[in-house]
Amino acid sequence: SQTIHQWPATLVQPVGSPLSLECTVEGTSNPNLYWYRQAAGRGLQLLFYSVGIGQISSEVPQNLSASRPQDRQFILSSKKLLLSDSGFYLCAGATGITSGNTIYFGEGSWLTVV
Amino acid sequence: AQSVTQLDSQVPVFEEAPVELRCNYSSSVSVYLFWYVQYPNQGLQLLLKYLSGSTLVKGINGFEAEFNKSQTSFHLRKPSVHISDTAEYFCAVSDGTGANTLFFGTGTRLTVIP
Repeated sequence: SQTIHQWPATLVQPVGSPLSLECTVEGTSNPNLYWYRQAAGRGLQLLFYSVGIGQISSEVPQNLSASRPQDRQFILSSKKLLLSDSGFYLCAGATGITSGNTIYFGEGSWLTVV
Repeated sequence: AQSVTQLDSQVPVFEEAPVELRCNYSSSVSVYLFWYVQYPNQGLQLLLKYLSGSTLVKGINGFEAEFNKSQTSFHLRKPSVHISDTAEYFCAVSDGTGANTLFFGTGTRLTVIP
């Protein structure tokens, strides 16, 4: 099975500062990769997904962007954070493109924008 | 389009009692359904999934779920809960495409009372 690593685990950033969350995948090649956000008391919202290097699809318009510079690396960024960007961010990955393949999640990153 | 409704945001239950967490879905394509569990401050862990075949799916930690196409439901059950089952539970549906994205419900917090 694959393992998802993401960091940092926790960060506190001021409004207007930049953001970079990094995610790497072990145990598979050419995975589908995803960024989800979980706001307090709410479910998981899909932010971005990628089916290959340099291929990014955005699910919702927002203050964030994503990049995939390498096959097993997925980065979530922002140039200027907003208070509403606070939340729990989860990176996930799935092997292959077969529908129904299990998606594995990282341990998450807590972002507090102050 | 796919969507998932988890009807109960919180479910308290006494230790060793049975529990059912409800999930209803809507999908215009082939259905792949999942249940994930999230322990405090952690990522998501797959409990079980339905892709095809038998409508009764058994997962880890003694959980099982039944796919009911006519009622568009995928309820999660456990005959006897433990304190360690206290967690957030998420139902999800796959979009059935090569991107294999998951759409989650808002979650159900299961609290097991000693």
